[in-house]
Amino acid sequence: AQSVSQHNHHVILSEAASLELGCNYSYGGTVNLFWYVQYPGQHLQLLLKYFSGDPLVKGIKGFEAEFIKSKFSFNLRKPSVQWSDTAEYFCAVNPSGAGSYQLTFGKGTKLSVIP
Amino acid sequence: GAGVSQSPRYKVAKRGQDVALRCDPISGHVSLFWYQQALGQGPEFLTYFQNEAQLDKSGLPSDRFFAERPEGSVSTLKIQRTQQEDSAVYLCASSLDRMSQPQHFGDGTRLSIL
Repeated sequence: AQSVSQHNHHVILSEAASLELGCNYSYGGTVNLFWYVQYPGQHLQLLLKYFSGDPLVKGIKGFEAEFIKSKFSFNLRKPSVQWSDTAEYFCAVNPSGAGSYQLTFGKGTKLSVIP
Repeated sequence: GAGVSQSPRYKVAKRGQDVALRCDPISGHVSLFWYQQALGQGPEFLTYFQNEAQLDKSGLPSDRFFAERPEGSVSTLKIQRTQQEDSAVYLCASSLDRMSQPQHFGDGTRLSIL
């Protein structure tokens, strides 16, 4: 069974600081990778996804993530955070291929951006 | 709206009561998922439907948990004889087709068992 580790439980940054949230997964085969974001009081929203191809994936709101297969990592980055990025961020993985539907999530990283 | 709709948003029940949580997926979405999110944790898979067929219920924690989607649209998650450890947010997600990604999530139902 696959598992996902998010190393940072709570990250506090000032506006304009750069962000990198770590995500490592454990699974022996090929995977689809996702970052979801949950703003306060809102539902989980897809930030970006990786299925195949270019390992550098660009998502909404200036976020990007890089898949490094050798490190089983899919870290999320943003060059300059804004107060509105305050939210909880979840990394998720599911095995590629037909019949693979179950998402496995990390525990989440809470990001607080100070104006 | 066009998103996944869940009701009620909040549910408080006494230990031992039965509860039913409803999910209205995005219209036309074939796949439907239920997840359980405990406090401070990420969502954990409970069960998966493709249309009306429940193809995977491996994540249901006990036989007190039951889910159905009889007409391939609305789904209900039922918990019988609730216990305190059932307190969590229950999330529903849907996706367009059998490939199942990406999944679109509802706001969840926060269940508190007293």
